[in-house]
Amino acid sequence: AQTVTQSQPEMSVQEAETVTLSCTYDTSESDYYLFWYKQPPSRQMILVIRQEAYKQQNATENRFSVNFQKAAKSFSLKISDSQLGDAAMYFCALWVLQGAQKLVFGQGTRLTINP
Amino acid sequence: DAGITQSPRHKVTETGTPVTLRCHQTENHRYMYWYRQDPGHGLRLIHYSYGVKDTDKGEVSDGYSVSRSKTEDFLLTLESATSSQTSVYFCAIRDSGGGYNEQFFGPGTRLTVL
Repeated sequence: AQTVTQSQPEMSVQEAETVTLSCTYDTSESDYYLFWYKQPPSRQMILVIRQEAYKQQNATENRFSVNFQKAAKSFSLKISDSQLGDAAMYFCALWVLQGAQKLVFGQGTRLTINP
Repeated sequence: DAGITQSPRHKVTETGTPVTLRCHQTENHRYMYWYRQDPGHGLRLIHYSYGVKDTDKGEVSDGYSVSRSKTEDFLLTLESATSSQTSVYFCAIRDSGGGYNEQFFGPGTRLTVL
């Protein structure tokens, strides 16, 4: 079975500062993807960033980057130069490419941006 | 925008009534999913489909059934709604284009069972 754990229910950061959201996961499979999704108050689930497990290089999308530690099964999200529009729930998700091929989500972290 | 719509967007119903939620996609994706979102749980998979008339259960499938008679539509039915099924329901598609595997979500349906 696969599990994803986000140990920070809430985080806050000052505008323009950097914040890191934590995620750990567990799977016995070797072929998988990891994702961070953002859910603003509109409720829409928005894909922020993707990491393939076979890639050693950490993924980066503009102000968003990840620290993927495969051996430790850790997948943190760093948001640089935080903006008010970054305020949202953030979900870490694991997608194993065998079997049911479902996304397994963490419980979410609510990020507040202080002006 | 992966061309996913859900209907209705909001629904209030009473315990014991049947409810059907519809997910519609316009881009001919093979895989479609239904998730529910509850506080403290993130999103959990209810059922998924890997083709027309091909469906399988997820981790929280009890009390739900699905049907997919054509590629673009995936229906989720609550045969007899219960208060524990009050939730936000999301449909998703799997996009394998460009060598990537990603899931894109519809806007969600808020269901309240009184």
